[in-house]
Amino acid sequence: DSGVTQTPKHLITATGQRVTLRCSPRSGDLSVYWYQQSLDQGLQFLIQYYNGEERAKGNILERFSAQQFPDLHSELNLSSLELGDSALYFCASSVDASGPYEQYFGPGTRLTVT
Amino acid sequence: GENVEQHPSTLSVQEGDSAVIKCTYSDSASNYFPWYKQELGKRPQLIIDIRSNVGEKKDQRIAVTLNKTAKHFSLHITETQPEDSAVYFCAASRPGGSYIPTFGRGTSLIVHP
Repeated sequence: DSGVTQTPKHLITATGQRVTLRCSPRSGDLSVYWYQQSLDQGLQFLIQYYNGEERAKGNILERFSAQQFPDLHSELNLSSLELGDSALYFCASSVDASGPYEQYFGPGTRLTVT
Repeated sequence: GENVEQHPSTLSVQEGDSAVIKCTYSDSASNYFPWYKQELGKRPQLIIDIRSNVGEKKDQRIAVTLNKTAKHFSLHITETQPEDSAVYFCAASRPGGSYIPTFGRGTSLIVHP
């Protein structure tokens, strides 16, 4: 157990819908990362937050957004869902952002868009 | 941006054999190279990492080598065991980019008992 929690574990929804994925980092970690893992694209970095502020952005679609709250948990919002958004979404946390520090991954949320 | 190539995509070995996974990177500014192991249905977990000021690092049966000039790095697993079966990902990251890793596509290692 990495200490990073993610909910829900599984999510099945229809095209056009909006979902929210939640992540709680390890105790003491200030930095949160979101990744998308799909069979054809591998593990792709989406976005990073550090102590409530956006720190780095990767290949995140405009339909996706994220935020980190004062208690350091983070949410990834996916809207106008398409079939191609079906993937495993991982959250990871690290103690700091100045790095490199080990990133601890959560168990992931499997999103299925039908 | 950074591009990481990883080979082979699948590696099948007999228990007790050695396994080698190779990665190349494109950005000469990258200086941190972690390796992750992901068992089926589980999360990626860091197994070893290396920084560019070091050429080799070992941890029991696992070793990583880095050739900065050629921009490639490799994972070596000796005396493989069935529990080593998993997908292994290499990654490269650089300062100034929050050390965000760019991952290779992964190698599925299968160790036959």
